[in-house]
This record gives sequence, C-alpha cells and structure tokens, in this order.
Amino acid sequence: NAGVTQTPKFRILKIGQSMTLQCTQDMNHNYMYWYRQDPGMGLKLIYYSVGAGITDKGEVPNGYNVSRSTTEDFPLRLELAAPSQTSVYFCASSLEGYEQYFGPGTRLTVT
Amino acid sequence: KNEVEQSPQNLTAQEGEFITINCSYSVGISALHWLQQHPGGGIVSLFMLSSGKKKHGRLIATINIQEKHSSLHITASHPRDSAVYICAVKPGDSNYQLIWGAGTKLIIKP
Repeated sequence: NAGVTQTPKFRILKIGQSMTLQCTQDMNHNYMYWYRQDPGMGLKLIYYSVGAGITDKGEVPNGYNVSRSTTEDFPLRLELAAPSQTSVYFCASSLEGYEQYFGPGTRLTVT
Repeated sequence: KNEVEQSPQNLTAQEGEFITINCSYSVGISALHWLQQHPGGGIVSLFMLSSGKKKHGRLIATINIQEKHSSLHITASHPRDSAVYICAVKPGDSNYQLIWGAGTKLIIKP
C-alpha cells in the first residue's frame, strides 16, 4: 500500500493564481482531511470528508474548496492565491474517524 | 486556556536518557493520539489509545482518563528520536474532529 500520497511536493504561486493540491489514499478509508501548518505552528483543519460526496468545513476553510467524488481522492482547490496561504498542506485519512494517517505534505509559497 | 496542553514545549537531552512528554486535556474524550513530526516535516502516527498503556519498541504511551492526562515515554533515547511530538484528543461527542496540542520539540544530543 502506498498509504496517502500528495502532489505536488512543492509549488510557488503568484498572487491571484489558482491550483489544485491532489490527495489519494489506497487504504479504503472513509474519512479524509486537509490541514495546513504555518511555520512553527500546529495543524489547522481546513476541510474534511466522511465519505464520497460528503464534505464539510473545518476551522479555516476560507479561500479553499474541496470535492470528494471517489473514496480514494480528495483534492483541495485554492482560488485566487494570497500570501496568507503560504503554508505546508497535509492530507490525512482515517477509518471511521480513528487513527489518522498523513501524506508527506505540499509546501506552498505564494508571492 | 487551551483544551490540550503539552509539556514541556522544548526538551533537550543526552543520548540514552529516559524521556517523558506530557499531555493534559480538559474535555471528555473517546481517544488520544500521539504523533511524531520529523525535522523534514513528515507526520507519523505513533499511538492511538483510549485506556491503559501501549508499547511499540522503545516508545510507551500511557493514559489516565480520570486525571485527563497522557504521557509518552522514550527509553534509551537516540538522536534519531529528535522530532516534534504531538498529542491530539478525539472529543467524546465528535466522530471526526481532533483537538491538537502545540507539540513538544525534542532534541537528543549524541
């Protein structure tokens, strides 16, 4: 099993550009999550999903959108990138909300 | 007051020392999660526990539900144990949310 994979690993965006961060898991987990981690800070939940077709907002959803059309994939869309979105983004998955397994992260810089 | 507090925030020790990291929480929980974040940024799940004690190699996690407290111990510490250790709790009334501690940064010197 590859576990949770994320692409890209690194990205630099200009202000106002858009992009999609990809996340895929092969563990047949129903729960998936997107977090951001700012330098020196803890994780903050952006969006989560409890199954295909079901998504909901976390603590810091503004400026982001998600979709969950399959169990495996949970892409995160950034529209109109802003410098405040410079962060490391982690995708995670879990079975029924228990132990979370994390992807390697995407380091995003918006300049 | 944060709902999940970890102590110490930073810990530097010599190789071979016995390490204890503490996590206290103020909400009712169904489970507590210990994770490790490597200097390169990757996050690895260490334990998820709801009672008693779990052991994996040199790592031991304990939880006391009545006292709302958990400890993570590392025996015979090694420089490769240097990382940030994060405690997160799953509130009893939530089926998805974790409340995250701020992390403890551990440095083990050779």
